Amino acid sequence: EAGVTQFPSHSVIEKGQTVTLRCDPISGHDNLYWYRRVMGKEIKFLLHFVKESKQDESGMPNNRFLAERTGGTYSTLKVQPAELEDSGVYFCASSRNIRDPDGYTFGSGTRLTVV
Amino acid sequence: AQSVTQPDIHITVSEGASLELRCNYSYGATPYLFWYVQSPGQGLQLLLKYFSGDTLVQGIKGFEAEFKRSQSSFNLRKPSVHWSDAAEYFCAVGGYNQGGKLIFGQGTELSVKP
Repeated sequence: EAGVTQFPSHSVIEKGQTVTLRCDPISGHDNLYWYRRVMGKEIKFLLHFVKESKQDESGMPNNRFLAERTGGTYSTLKVQPAELEDSGVYFCASSRNIRDPDGYTFGSGTRLTVV
Repeated sequence: AQSVTQPDIHITVSEGASLELRCNYSYGATPYLFWYVQSPGQGLQLLLKYFSGDTLVQGIKGFEAEFKRSQSSFNLRKPSVHWSDAAEYFCAVGGYNQGGKLIFGQGTELSVKP
């Protein structure tokens, strides 16, 4: 089966611009997670979708971040306007069942650089 | 508070030498514990996991980890390191009551000397 796909793999934008990251989960995986790693820090949870519903968005840093998952398939994470501290690697993961955390599959991540 | 600590930011070992990467966690309930590896340009790959049962778990690529509840530790080991093991390693903790989300440590970067 195809893995979790994220694009773009890299994005460099100027402060104040808008960027949209996309994640395509494994087909049939209802659970989709976004994580972020700021340079030198730990990977931190941002939010969790179950199908198209936001199950937990406790990790979203502020209202400049908007995540959507229309139709319960792919998800987008929009940052508007981007700030310097938003730079980092954004990971997406999907799983079929939350009772099976080892069923997580991570994407390769999107490296976002805000200059 | 739930947290994971990886005390070593960077470790260098010689090829063929043994390896131990440390991980300590703080978690209120029975934890699920994981080790992931990230090679350059790649995603996070699961090396091994502990849910319950035997506290010594075997993973891929010859790695193993031991869950020690009394020490709140889940250290990763490999008896003989290969150059291809150079990567960044992440310890993580999670649980069903967390909706499947994971809490990660800061990562340990492993360099391998020839």
